Amino acid sequence: EAQVTQNPRYLITVTGKKLTVTCSQNMNHEYMSWYRQDPGLGLRQIYYSMNVEVTDKGDVPEGYKVSRKEKRNFPLILESPSPNQTSLYFCASSGRLAGLRDTQYFGPGTRLTVL
Amino acid sequence: AQSVTQPDIHITVSEGASLELRCNYSYGATPYLFWYVQSPGQGLQLLLKYFSGDTLVQGIKGFEAEFKRSQSSFNLRKPSVHWSDAAEYFCAVGANYGQNFVFGPGTRLSVLP
Repeated sequence: EAQVTQNPRYLITVTGKKLTVTCSQNMNHEYMSWYRQDPGLGLRQIYYSMNVEVTDKGDVPEGYKVSRKEKRNFPLILESPSPNQTSLYFCASSGRLAGLRDTQYFGPGTRLTVL
Repeated sequence: AQSVTQPDIHITVSEGASLELRCNYSYGATPYLFWYVQSPGQGLQLLLKYFSGDTLVQGIKGFEAEFKRSQSSFNLRKPSVHWSDAAEYFCAVGANYGQNFVFGPGTRLSVLP
């Protein structure tokens, strides 16, 4: 089954304690993104990756890091989380399919609370 | 920079009534436009997308949307709403494959029995 998986689904942590949210897709997609969702703001793009070792900042990259060492994985790293990073996070992937334009597939979300 | 507005934060309709959710965008080039739906506690599901061609786009679950370049709009419609359509709906604009993807703030739809 084609899917995007995220772990953990729920996480409560404290300010300053480094954490990683993993994202993996099994569709061989080149493109992957991270978003955060906050009430009244919709989803905002944090980082974007066009392929292995190629990443770019989205609209709200401050306080986040990403890496793309393998095509299927795109972890989101919070080196020193702060309470304003409490949010619902989504990973998404998309890819080129036989020359047709594809669309983004979203993971189930990770709800992060930073105390 | 591109942006998306959804003027209605919350809409309530009766089951069986027609629905139109508004979306306006600002984008420098030819936009790629999307509508996603998010049910409570769930991820996002793509309803439909517009890249080029016919400006009336059909999607899943009986939804359709019309691209109007002159009005910078991409409104979502459904002729008869079902109770299961209650959810939050997001309009989005972007370049290829998720790059510079921008979502609107969302419209929450409630359906009365």
